Amino acid sequence: KAGVTQTPRYLIKTRGQQVTLSCSPISGHRSVSWYQQTPGQGLQFLFEYFSETQRNKGNFPGRFSGRQFSNSRSEMNVSTLELGDSALYLCATRIGYGNEKLFFGSGTQLSVL
Amino acid sequence: TQLLEQSPQFLSIQEGENLTVYCNSSSVFSSLQWYRQEPGEGPVLLVTVVTGGEVKKLKRLTFQFGDARKDSSLHITAAQPGDTGLYLCAGDAGTASKLTFGTGTRLQVTL
Repeated sequence: KAGVTQTPRYLIKTRGQQVTLSCSPISGHRSVSWYQQTPGQGLQFLFEYFSETQRNKGNFPGRFSGRQFSNSRSEMNVSTLELGDSALYLCATRIGYGNEKLFFGSGTQLSVL
Repeated sequence: TQLLEQSPQFLSIQEGENLTVYCNSSSVFSSLQWYRQEPGEGPVLLVTVVTGGEVKKLKRLTFQFGDARKDSSLHITAAQPGDTGLYLCAGDAGTASKLTFGTGTRLQVTL
């Protein structure tokens, strides 16, 4: 069974640009969550999607948005990039919307110059 | 805002030594998870503890959930180089995907 796939693996952008990251869940997993990991703040929850609907949201500005498609694949978008958005963005998927195990992808390393 | 503080932040030990990592909070969690993350990879779930006072063992790793469900510990016996990594605790306050992650403990085990 293939794991959680995140693309691209690395990304370099400049301030003010926007970026779209992609996450393909494990087959059969319908819930996709996004986390931001930085050395200073650690891992912080961004949002979760289930059945194409955002179910939970963390404390991030509106520049951070996401969506989920009917095949459960998810994308997150960051607009008007700031230097502080440089981070590892991790996607985590699970079968349903309950208390099941989360499976993380390897992440997308975003550098904002 | 719920916070999870882990200690120590860094630990460098030799193979064969024992160690304990602590995860503390002022908040109550319905469950607590422990993850290990290796460079260039996402976290991998090691264990979930649910009941206050619960103890779980995974080979050389022993996990304990505090009676009040506010803290947890991870004890590794006879550490091996393969145990090297970033250990993260994560609390679930009832929304299983909106985890609150701890500050992390970076473990280095050398020969």
